Amino acid sequence: DIQMTQSPSSVSASVGDRVTITCRASQAISSWLAWYQLKPGKAPKLLIYAASSLQSGVPSRFSGSGSGTDFTLTVSGLQPEDFATYYCQQGHSLPLTFGGGTKVEIK
Amino acid sequence: QVQLEQSGAEVKKPGASVKVSCKASGYIFTNYGIAWVRQAPGQGLEWMGWISGWSGDTSPEQKFQGRVTMTTDTSTTSVYMELRSLRSDDTAVYYCARVFLDGGYGSFDYWGQGTLVTVSS
Repeated sequence: DIQMTQSPSSVSASVGDRVTITCRASQAISSWLAWYQLKPGKAPKLLIYAASSLQSGVPSRFSGSGSGTDFTLTVSGLQPEDFATYYCQQGHSLPLTFGGGTKVEIK
Repeated sequence: QVQLEQSGAEVKKPGASVKVSCKASGYIFTNYGIAWVRQAPGQGLEWMGWISGWSGDTSPEQKFQGRVTMTTDTSTTSVYMELRSLRSDDTAVYYCARVFLDGGYGSFDYWGQGTLVTVSS
């Protein structure tokens, strides 16, 4: 199975900050990586697919990059509604696997 | 708009079974597969497998094989996930999610609201 390692596990930030989350795959996954946002009691939300494609309706302050084994999710200009937990997921091979999550907290 | 509406919370005893439903609306049901993903308390997300909305073919994650059954009902555009021989570590929020074929094995573009399954004696 492909292991996905996210870092950091948590980050404290202020509104307006730029936040970068990294995700590393245990083997090359081309660009088959997605990013999700999870908030308690709400349905998870797809933000980015194929490493850098913005899902329809997602604000442009979210961006993704990377290929192979190393990927990043960047939030440029953090908004109050962005405080949440973020997960990466590889779509290269079965079983599909997720990273351990990164909690973005208010500083 | 696309919606996935899941059944309500369940409390089960160890060894019992649970069946969670997921009713899809707002899209052509047979054009997409549905995956099941769970999140145990304080843990990350875990893919359990998926089912084709067209053929009903399933691909469960190996660790759940023999214990999980996924089915569809195209007449009601619903998907079901039954997990048997429940253990305490099956306590989790169970999500259904629509499979978005982005070129790889896919990502999940719409999710249900989640169903909390609690396994406790």
